[in-house]
Amino acid sequence: QKEVEQDPGPLSVPEGAIVSLNCTYSNSAFQYFMWYRQYSRKGPELLMYTYSSGNKEDGRFTAQVDKSSKYISLFIRDSQPSDSATYLCAMSADAGGTSYGKLTFGQGTILTVHP
Amino acid sequence: NAGVTQTPKFRILKIGQSMTLQCTQDMNHNYMYWYRQDPGMGLKLIYYSVGAGITDKGEVPNGYNVSRSTTEDFPLRLELAAPSQTSVYFCASSYGGNHQYFGPGTRLTVT
Repeated sequence: QKEVEQDPGPLSVPEGAIVSLNCTYSNSAFQYFMWYRQYSRKGPELLMYTYSSGNKEDGRFTAQVDKSSKYISLFIRDSQPSDSATYLCAMSADAGGTSYGKLTFGQGTILTVHP
Repeated sequence: NAGVTQTPKFRILKIGQSMTLQCTQDMNHNYMYWYRQDPGMGLKLIYYSVGAGITDKGEVPNGYNVSRSTTEDFPLRLELAAPSQTSVYFCASSYGGNHQYFGPGTRLTVT
């Protein structure tokens, strides 16, 4: 079993739709949860960062963590064609101390938002 | 402030050839990483470094070597290239936390 599982999609939605992207994980030591966005032929960039369970909102993006279920989600409201990208979840057991900032990534979900 | 830069952008190697992928960051980050990304497989950590002169293996180090003589540079060496090393390679850096800054990647094909 992979430590982090993410549905690779691809996911295709119409403009304005609500998008839900999800990851499950098996390592209960994970405390820090991230979503990276990667445009085609570019490097990933950090989109959302959360610690432990709960929700975090940033504009049209909401990150949700449920540690009891080992499940994290990213919601995109009013999706736009510019949101078309690969979304990678990433996790870590600490804030960079003993893990040296090493992250465990999901496989990535390819999202296309069509006009 | 260029962030993380990688050269070359593309490269085609023949089986058995060697090459060095260059990575430079100008953010004075201590931590640097090398990943490979294969379709549908996410990012796999090859090597990482927590400072000049200090490197360690990641999840998939076989067939690769690294060095870190300065804070800015973290080259990745491929010896005896194999088709299994066809991939997109990303270099990243961080100040020590979980926010990693990625370069634009090097697309490598081994034929």
